Amino acid sequence: AQKITQTQPGMFVQEKEAVTLDCTYDTSDPSYGLFWYKQPSSGEMIFLIYQGSYDQQNATEGRYSLNFQKARKSANLVISASQLGDSAMYFCAMRVLYYGGSQGNLIFGKGTKLSVKP
Amino acid sequence: GAVVSQHPSRVICKSGTSVKIECRSLDFQATTMFWYRQFPKQSLMLMATSNEGSKATYEQGVEKDKFLINHASLTLSTLTVTSAHPEDSSFYICSAPRLGGLNTEAFFGQGTRLTVV
Repeated sequence: AQKITQTQPGMFVQEKEAVTLDCTYDTSDPSYGLFWYKQPSSGEMIFLIYQGSYDQQNATEGRYSLNFQKARKSANLVISASQLGDSAMYFCAMRVLYYGGSQGNLIFGKGTKLSVKP
Repeated sequence: GAVVSQHPSRVICKSGTSVKIECRSLDFQATTMFWYRQFPKQSLMLMATSNEGSKATYEQGVEKDKFLINHASLTLSTLTVTSAHPEDSSFYICSAPRLGGLNTEAFFGQGTRLTVV
């Protein structure tokens, strides 16, 4: 079965420092996509970054980068130069094309609450 | 970019009444819409998948008679919580993929915070 594990319920980081949010995944499917979303207190889901299982290079999007270690089945999110506005819940998610009767839905981890300190 | 508009953003209803939540894709055709539920301080859990013109597929443990899903057009999917009870209080959010495939960004609605009193 597909599963996403985020072991850090909460993280603190000093403003302007970098922080790594951990994510491990489990799937027997060779084709999958990994996503990170940010959810502020308003509830909206903000897409941050995507990594495909066949991508050779780690994904980067501005201050966000994904440390993809396929053999370890990990997809950690690195946020550089943290800002106060980065304080939010962060969810790692996975998509496989075929999962039971639901194609293409995202499977989410439990999330990590990031707090940026001034 | 693609936008999914979800309404209402917040609703309070009395126990026993029904509540309808709408999700519209504004600049693309959403043949599929995923409905998630998120309890406080928990993750998003898939409730059901709606496909335009066909019956929704419900995840195990989700009552299809209680959570009615309609996807009558390529731009509108609705979730109706029938005979709501306090335990149905939750955050409901819809998501539509714009294209097929693994790297499809899932566009989310703004979410609906339902409180049943």
